[in-house]
Amino acid sequence: NAGVTQTPKFRVLKTGQSMTLLCAQDMNHEYMYWYRQDPGMGLRLIHYSVGEGTTAKGEVPDGYNVSRLKKQNFLLGLESAAPSQTSVYFCASSSLRSLYNEQFFGPGTRLTVL
Amino acid sequence: AQKITQTQPGMFVQEKEAVTLDCTYDTSDPSYGLFWYKQPSSGEMIFLIYQGSYDQQNATEGRYSLNFQKARKSANLVISASQLGDSAMYFCAMREINNDMRFGAGTRLTVKP
Repeated sequence: NAGVTQTPKFRVLKTGQSMTLLCAQDMNHEYMYWYRQDPGMGLRLIHYSVGEGTTAKGEVPDGYNVSRLKKQNFLLGLESAAPSQTSVYFCASSSLRSLYNEQFFGPGTRLTVL
Repeated sequence: AQKITQTQPGMFVQEKEAVTLDCTYDTSDPSYGLFWYKQPSSGEMIFLIYQGSYDQQNATEGRYSLNFQKARKSANLVISASQLGDSAMYFCAMREINNDMRFGAGTRLTVKP
């Protein structure tokens, strides 16, 4: 049981390049989330998904797109990377989107945009 | 709008002593959940403890306890008998019904030997 995994772990992009971050979970969770973590700001929600084929915007969605074609996978795409997107990206999942269900986090992806 | 405030950017504690990490929140919703996560230097986010707004008693999980003062809208994390392995970033988070989880800026705890 690997929990939540993310690939890649590190990536360096040039401004304008595109890339996709992959998140996978093997806990059969319905809900999946993408966050970014910046110094002094905690985690901020980018997009989330409440099930296969559905996605929704979070607090900071601009410049990102997501897809959930399979229940276990949640992809985060950057179509044209900008230096402001330099951050650590975390994927998370939960069985329910209720008050008491904690989210399980992946190990993070450190992205640098030059 | 939700708001989580952690006023202590950094804290130091002597090994084996107790430490309190502060968290205040702002909400007008009577139903909400409060969470604490630990992020060691390796980077992963580890769930520590949960407190529901209707819970009558403060939550406890091993050496972690949550000092929940609803009227003051505070949910401070208490770590008893600190260990060197407790050195990490600690994040407070809150979720309201039909809202996403929001995180505070975090507190970096350093345990001194």
